Amino acid sequence: AQSVTQLDSQVPVFEEAPVELRCNYSSSVSVYLFWYVQYPNQGLQLLLKYLSGSTLVESINGFEAEFNKSQTSFHLRKPSVHISDTAEYFCAVSAGDYKLSFGAGTTVTVRA
Amino acid sequence: GAVVSQHPSWVICKSGTSVKIECRSLDFQATTMFWYRQFPKQSLMLMATSNEGSKATYEQGVEKDKFLINHASLTLSTLTVTSAHPEDSSFYICSARGTSGEQYFGPGTRLTVT
Repeated sequence: AQSVTQLDSQVPVFEEAPVELRCNYSSSVSVYLFWYVQYPNQGLQLLLKYLSGSTLVESINGFEAEFNKSQTSFHLRKPSVHISDTAEYFCAVSAGDYKLSFGAGTTVTVRA
Repeated sequence: GAVVSQHPSWVICKSGTSVKIECRSLDFQATTMFWYRQFPKQSLMLMATSNEGSKATYEQGVEKDKFLINHASLTLSTLTVTSAHPEDSSFYICSARGTSGEQYFGPGTRLTVT
């Protein structure tokens, strides 16, 4: 079985400042890793994913995450956040059977 | 992009009654749908995997007779909470798996049992 730990439940940040959301996982097999974002009153949306290949993956809206196998981490970063990035962020892991195990989520609040 | 809808978005029911929640993939066919449950400030917990035309597969600890899942078509799966009790109050979220393997999530249904 897989499990995911998101180390920060809430992250307040000022607009245009950088942000990092931490995610660690445990698994006895190779995994796929995901970050989902949930805006208020909306469903989860895939932000980015790591399946194989380059350990650094990027999203179209400026987020990036790096898979670190030795540290079993998949931290999410953005160099400069906007007010519109205020949302709940979930890290998830799958062993390839399409079942997702989610972390508890990190609430990001961006302030002007 | 692929859209998944859930209906209703919010429901209140009395203890002992049953509630049906629908999950629809609006612009794609989904042979597999997933049902999750989310408690406040907690993670999404997978309840069951729903495959079109076959019985759902439930995760350990989930009562299949209480949470009835039907996946009658490639665009619709339903979750029925039978004989609901206050402890069943939660946020229920479905997802549908597209042909690429990616899961698309519905907006969720908040169930309150009084």
